[in-house]
Amino acid sequence: NAGVMQNPRHLVRRRGQEARLRCSPMKGHSHVYWYRQLPEEGLKFMVYLQKENIIDESGMPKERFSAEFPKEGPSILRIQQVVRGDSAAYFCASSPISENTGELFFGEGSRLTVL
Amino acid sequence: AQTVTQSQPEMSVQEAETVTLSCTYDTSESDYYLFWYKQPPSRQMILVIRQEAYKQQNATENRFSVNFQKAAKSFSLKISDSQLGDAAMYFCAYRSEGSGTYKYIFGTGTRLKVLA
Repeated sequence: NAGVMQNPRHLVRRRGQEARLRCSPMKGHSHVYWYRQLPEEGLKFMVYLQKENIIDESGMPKERFSAEFPKEGPSILRIQQVVRGDSAAYFCASSPISENTGELFFGEGSRLTVL
Repeated sequence: AQTVTQSQPEMSVQEAETVTLSCTYDTSESDYYLFWYKQPPSRQMILVIRQEAYKQQNATENRFSVNFQKAAKSFSLKISDSQLGDAAMYFCAYRSEGSGTYKYIFGTGTRLKVLA
């Protein structure tokens, strides 16, 4: 049973370009979370989605950031017009159902570097 | 809003010794879950231990145990017989229960070094 798969693992973009990060949850998991981790800092919640719905996006910057989790295919975190401050590791995690009492299963992260 | 605080940016422990990592949280809710996650260098996060707030008994997983003090809103992690493989970042996390949104809030982490 494959774990949470994130790609790309490393992404380099120039300022003003777009970054797209993908996350395929574990099989049978319908809930996806995105977190951002800056160097030497903790995980900052960004958004929580289930299939075709955004449940909580209170951690998402109002501009340039968007996320989706379509009925088919991976969840995508999209950052438009990237700036140097967007450089970070972006982690995706999944859980089976909303009433899950246990763990989030994390991917290995996507490390975005903005030049 | 809920917050999670880890006041120890870095801790060191001698191999085979015991270390305790601190975590405090703030919430007005009565039902919630608390977790400790481990992030080894350049590797993905894995769950170490979890505690349901309604349970008075402290959770234990092999060499890992917690000291859950609900009134004090404290949730420390004790690692006994520390091993070199325990070296990692440790994150304390909170998840509410019953609010309809299952958002996990993480602390800033404690880097644990294990000395041979």
